[in-house]
Amino acid sequence: AQSVSQHNHHVILSEAASLELGCNYSYGGTVNLFWYVQYPGQHLQLLLKYFSGDPLVKGIKGFEAEFIKSKFSFNLRKPSVQWSDTAEYFCAVNSRGTDKLIFGTGTRLQVFP
Amino acid sequence: KAGVTQTPRYLIKTRGQQVTLSCSPISGHRSVSWYQQTPGQGLQFLFEYFSETQRNKGNFPGRFSGRQFSNSRSEMNVSTLELGDSALYLCASSPLVGINEKLFFGSGTQLSVL
Repeated sequence: AQSVSQHNHHVILSEAASLELGCNYSYGGTVNLFWYVQYPGQHLQLLLKYFSGDPLVKGIKGFEAEFIKSKFSFNLRKPSVQWSDTAEYFCAVNSRGTDKLIFGTGTRLQVFP
Repeated sequence: KAGVTQTPRYLIKTRGQQVTLSCSPISGHRSVSWYQQTPGQGLQFLFEYFSETQRNKGNFPGRFSGRQFSNSRSEMNVSTLELGDSALYLCASSPLVGINEKLFFGSGTQLSVL
């Protein structure tokens, strides 16, 4: 069965530190990949997505993610985090041909000033 | 444009009872999906509806059911509640079907089962 793994459950960083959150999926076919973010007290919202083309995608607020097909990975990165990036981050995968969006368990990021 | 609206915001029930949650999608959106969010489990897909038809179902027992009305509003029902059903239930809508390009989430209904 299709699954998504986020191995970092809780990440604590200081402002200006670099961030990389891991995401691996288990589906071998063609996939669409997403990162969603949930700021404290707010709705889940889309951060960035990959459908095809350039495997390095840029999203809102300076985030980017790289799709590495050979590693079944779609890691999220940001060169310099801010206190306002404190949130929970969810990776999600949708295999082409199905309508199910499978989410990972989420990574809680805390950024301290 | 109003966002996805879920009611009620909070709900407290006891074991064995049943509950109905409501979701009004963004105007013009015809696809509605439901997710269960629990700490440590992330979001788990429950089901998706489009044009009043269930298109996909997750791995949840038959106690979990849903439906969609002609105005795209959706309801989710859980019968014979168990303690483990305590969770945040999220509804998401999208304009397209077949491609989860972007889901718009509601604030959720926090269900506590005592």
